[in-house]
Amino acid sequence: QVQLKESGPGLVQPSETLSLTCTVSGFSLTSYSVSWVRQPSGKGPEWMGRMWYDGDTAYNSALKSRLSISRDTSKNQVFLKMNSLQTDDTGTYYCTRDLGLSYWGQGVMVTVSS
Amino acid sequence: DVVMTQTPVSLSLAIGQPASISCKSSQSLLGTSGKTFLNWILQRPGQSPKRLIYQVSKLYSEVPDRFSGSGSETEFTLKISRVEAEDLGVYYCWQGTHFPLTFGSGTKLEIK
Repeated sequence: QVQLKESGPGLVQPSETLSLTCTVSGFSLTSYSVSWVRQPSGKGPEWMGRMWYDGDTAYNSALKSRLSISRDTSKNQVFLKMNSLQTDDTGTYYCTRDLGLSYWGQGVMVTVSS
Repeated sequence: DVVMTQTPVSLSLAIGQPASISCKSSQSLLGTSGKTFLNWILQRPGQSPKRLIYQVSKLYSEVPDRFSGSGSETEFTLKISRVEAEDLGVYYCWQGTHFPLTFGSGTKLEIK
């Protein structure tokens, strides 16, 4: 069945770079897009960006200068890198599948703190 | 960016009562394809969001038919005909017509 699982460090220092991995199963990254969505505690989700099935990317303009999304299709993985982290980047980060965001991973909690 | 405004912020209902959640967008969500990419998700306590409805009114296969969606252009509604205990959580509308995708701030459904 379709599964997505996020992994990465739970704690990041301010001004440093966040690196997250989304490992998928049950579908091919060359057939479906994968988006990253984050959610501050107690708030609504924010779409960050997308890796299209053809390898192209799209970013939220609010984050574009800090954000990079890439993939390794041989490992069924999509990567997120975001630099210059600040405390308001704290939250849960999810990867989701396809244009309808129809499948979500369990999420990974990221805290930005010194 | 398209702003999604949900009301009410919270609902407290007894099992068996109907529920209605409004979602308004700052721009029309009717796309050039003729489709309207307004969707609903439910986030139960401590869980990741789950899909409910796509393109205004289409239920995913696993979603009970007590849920329904309606609306057009900038005004949309999610209804639950009879609330059940498993329906508690936060409901979000989100739009996929315009980049960036944007979400409402959520409506929390509590069971009395």
